Amino acid sequence: IAGITQAPTSQILAAGRRMTLRCTQDMRHNAMYWYRQDLGLGLRLIHYSNTAGTTGKGEVPDGYSVSRANTDDFPLTLASAVPSQTSVYFCASSPQPGTEAFFGQGTRLTVV
Amino acid sequence: GENVEQHPSTLSVQEGDSAVIKCTYSDSASNYFPWYKQELGKRPQLIIDIRSNVGEKKDQRIAVTLNKTAKHFSLHITETQPEDSAVYFCAASMGNSGYSTLTFGKGTMLLVSP
Repeated sequence: IAGITQAPTSQILAAGRRMTLRCTQDMRHNAMYWYRQDLGLGLRLIHYSNTAGTTGKGEVPDGYSVSRANTDDFPLTLASAVPSQTSVYFCASSPQPGTEAFFGQGTRLTVV
Repeated sequence: GENVEQHPSTLSVQEGDSAVIKCTYSDSASNYFPWYKQELGKRPQLIIDIRSNVGEKKDQRIAVTLNKTAKHFSLHITETQPEDSAVYFCAASMGNSGYSTLTFGKGTMLLVSP
């Protein structure tokens, strides 16, 4: 079934640890995004990629990094997790940058 | 960059009533305006979108209107049902420009009471 998949679904992480959230899509979409969702703050863009091999910073990029080695995968890495990174993380993709976005099921991350 | 404001933050209606959610945007170059519905614990899903070459679009009980001059757009839900209860997000982008991203409003929690 075509779509976008995130892993893990949830994670509890000790502060200071490194963590990679995985995101894979099989729709051959050019653009991919990482958002974090916090109560009252909506969906805030962390990083994006308009096409394989390119990435860009969103509204809240500090403490996160991404890579886009191929069309399908767009992992998000927290180099040294802090409690303020506790959030629900959504990966999304769209056929072209800025067009209809399809979201993964989300990753609930708790940093303690 | 683009800034999207969404109002109200919460909206309570009785079943059968209409609900209206409004958004304003700042960048006059934006030309794509989608609306997403997010049920509790689920992912956001697109319910309707509009591009700047049209002023209104309808899909059964939902409609979106766009006023480019005033830089605002609205979601209208008629004959609301309890299953319409969810958080709704508006967004704006310079769709398909090669470098655009979607900027979201902060969301509206809609509660439809039976």
